[in-house]
Amino acid sequence: EPEVTQTPSHQVTQMGQEVILRCVPISNHLYFYWYRQILGQKVEFLVSFYNNEISEKSEIFDDQFSVERPDGSNFTLKIRSTKLEDSAMYFCASRARSGNQPQHFGDGTRLSIL
Amino acid sequence: AQSVSQHNHHVILSEAASLELGCNYSYGGTVNLFWYVQYPGQHLQLLLKYFSGDPLVKGIKGFEAEFIKSKFSFNLRKPSVQWSDTAEYFCAVNAGAAGNKLTFGGGTRVLVKP
Repeated sequence: EPEVTQTPSHQVTQMGQEVILRCVPISNHLYFYWYRQILGQKVEFLVSFYNNEISEKSEIFDDQFSVERPDGSNFTLKIRSTKLEDSAMYFCASRARSGNQPQHFGDGTRLSIL
Repeated sequence: AQSVSQHNHHVILSEAASLELGCNYSYGGTVNLFWYVQYPGQHLQLLLKYFSGDPLVKGIKGFEAEFIKSKFSFNLRKPSVQWSDTAEYFCAVNAGAAGNKLTFGGGTRVLVKP
């Protein structure tokens, strides 16, 4: 079964540094998402992306965050200047375009801000 | 705004016991409902989904869930659990179109004792 893949599995970064989290969605999928889960809290929606533009974003997704699909396969989340509270598990998901299809999730990237 | 609540944070039971995990959501319009499972060290995997039709939905690994619209509930059940069902279970909802963001419940950690 095709999978969503995320790299790295664990990223440790100094506060204030930029970080890029990478995702390779399932190849024929056209909707892409980022979610995060702070330790002990719910999985929270960050942003959805379709047709090369953001279709929805949450309050969390402020100017420090950006997403990009730089080529036909990758979908990245960039945090420009990381804060301690950005420490979380970040999940990428993708979904096929047509019909009632569920989102498929990657393994996640654990981001630790020091 | 939609929200999802899962009644139990932790459940411990023995093999062959029956499992029922509660999920309630708040949203007045059309919803799509999902249960995801996360086995230790793995990504979120879809157990089952409801978009429309028969409110009793059967998923993988012997799980089923029942959508009761009047109660805004989508409880997950399995008549006889196995040790391999030890995992964290997440209820999720999206409102309206299937491509919309998922809103997750807080998750329920299930430990099945052999």
